[in-house]
Amino acid sequence: QVQLVQSGAEVKKPGASVKVSCKASGYRFTSYGINWVRQAPGQGLEWMGRIITHNGYTNYAQNFQDRVTMTTDTSTSTAYMELRSLRSDDTAVYYCARDRNTLMINVHDYWGQGTLVTVSS
Amino acid sequence: DIQMTQSPSSLSASVGDRVTITCRASQSIRINLNWYQQKQGKAPKLLIYAASSLQSGVPSKFSGSGSGTDFTLTISSLQPEDFATYYCQQTYSIPETFGQGTKVDIK
Repeated sequence: QVQLVQSGAEVKKPGASVKVSCKASGYRFTSYGINWVRQAPGQGLEWMGRIITHNGYTNYAQNFQDRVTMTTDTSTSTAYMELRSLRSDDTAVYYCARDRNTLMINVHDYWGQGTLVTVSS
Repeated sequence: DIQMTQSPSSLSASVGDRVTITCRASQSIRINLNWYQQKQGKAPKLLIYAASSLQSGVPSKFSGSGSGTDFTLTISSLQPEDFATYYCQQTYSIPETFGQGTKVDIK
């Protein structure tokens, strides 16, 4: 069965960086993209970007363009999201989600369990 | 960016009720509209994709409709396990954007 397992919770100081991992299993990793979505406490969902796993091509939301890097390691079927220059308002649960393209429409069909990143001095 | 507006933001309903949630896009997104359910402390779960297609394994009490700018999610007979927050999402253009969510709780 398809599973996305994310790394554990992180506590970081303002200005630091965090790198969250997302290990995929149960499907051919390079056949689907990986999205990253975050959710601040008590708030809604915010799309951060997507990586095409078979070629590494990325699309980032403008809000994160200068601070985020998404990568993959196809040998271990793992996707990574690094966010730099952390601020207190980056405190959120970060999710990875598999990207399926059906009827030419992108769909987030399987999600990781989420990784809480807390930014605090 | 395309703005997605859901209504209502919250609603109270009883078991067995028919519930409808609407989502409006700030410009046409054709049928590039997905619906997710999120329970407290859990990851979102895909319910409906391409406006009206039911995701595999999702009960048929969930249905979606619409195209262009106006969309609806309907739950035909609300059950206890359906109390959650529901989000619409457009994937027509980047950045993908979500509605603010509709929280469905028990009356």
